[in-house]
Parts: sequence; structure tokens; C-alpha cells
Amino acid sequence: NAGVTQTPKFQVLKTGQSMTLQCAQDMNHEYMSWYRQDPGMGLRLIHYSVGAGITDQGEVPNGYNVSRSTTEDFPLRLLSAAPSQTSVYFCASSYGPSGGAEQFFGPGTRLTVL
Amino acid sequence: GEDVEQSLFLSVREGDSSVINCTYTDSSSTYLYWYKQEPGAGLQLLTYIFSNMDMKQDQRLTVLLNKKDKHLSLRIADTQTGDSAIYFCAETAGRRALTFGSGTRLQVQP
Repeated sequence: NAGVTQTPKFQVLKTGQSMTLQCAQDMNHEYMSWYRQDPGMGLRLIHYSVGAGITDQGEVPNGYNVSRSTTEDFPLRLLSAAPSQTSVYFCASSYGPSGGAEQFFGPGTRLTVL
Repeated sequence: GEDVEQSLFLSVREGDSSVINCTYTDSSSTYLYWYKQEPGAGLQLLTYIFSNMDMKQDQRLTVLLNKKDKHLSLRIADTQTGDSAIYFCAETAGRRALTFGSGTRLQVQP
């Protein structure tokens, strides 16, 4: 198993550009989520999905869109990039629906918005 | 909303024990986690504890949970330089989304 994969590893955008961060998992996990990590802070939840076709907002959803057309993929779209979105983005997946399941994290995408 | 607090920094000597502390506010938390993050890397799950337990031991790691005080600690015995990293406490109340603390940077001096 490849686990949770994310592409790209690094990205530089100009203010106003849009892009999609890719996330895929091959563990047949129902639950997938996106977090952002800013310097000196923990991870904050952006959006999550409890299964194909079902998504919901987390703590910091503004400026981001998600969709979940398949179990494996959960892309994160930045609609119009802003410098405040400079961060490291982590995708995670876990078994559902029981609590306590280990969240498997991808290696992260480091995004800089100029 | 839920909040998870950790001290920012801990420095220990190699071979000593390290104790990293965490407090949380959500009384309905059911699972509490410790993750390790090395520079430039993702998060690695170290261990987790269910809220009806007060202790869990896994090799050099001991987790203590005081549910009354909403206090969680991670003890690393015989700390090594390879343990230098940022340690995150996180909790969930079964929503399958985690609330993270800001992380504790552990520095191990030879």
C-alpha cells in the first residue's frame, strides 16, 4: 500500500491564482480530511468527508473547495490564492465510522502565495 | 469550541525521561492522541488512549490521562537524540476530526 499520497510537494502561487492540491489513499478509508499547519501552530481542519459524495466544513473552510467523487481521491481547490493561505497542507484518512481510528497523514504540500 | 493546550518547549538530556503535558477542554473527548513530527515531515501516530483508561504503556512511552482535570501527559523514558521533534496532542469526541494542540518542541541534548 502507498498509504496517503499528496501532490505536489511544493508549490508557489501568485495572489489570485487557483490550483488544486491532490490527495489519494489506497486503504479504502471512508473518512478523509484536509488540515493546514501554520508556523507555531497545530493542525486546523479545513474540510472533511465521511464518504464518497459527502463533504463538510471544518474550522477554517473559507477560500477552499472540496469534492469527493471516489473513495480514493479528495482534492482541495484554492479558488483565488491569498498570502494568508501560505501554509503546509496535510491530507489524512482513517477507517470509519468507529471512533479512535488512526488518522494516516500524507507527507504534506508546502504552499507559498506571493 | 474545543481547545487543546501544550507548553511550547522542553529540553532534556539524553538518557533522562521527558514528560510532555497537554490539557483539553472538551469533556466529551473519547480518544486522545500523541503525534510526532520531525522537521519537514508529516505526522506519525505514537500512541492513543481511550477516555475510560487512565494509563497506557508502549515500550518507552507512557501515557497518563486524568479525565477529571482534562490533563494528558506523555512520558518518554531514556530519551534519545532521535526523539527530538515536535509532539502534538490531539483529541476527538468521535467526530473523526481531530483538534490539535500547538505542539511541544522537544530538544534532547547529548
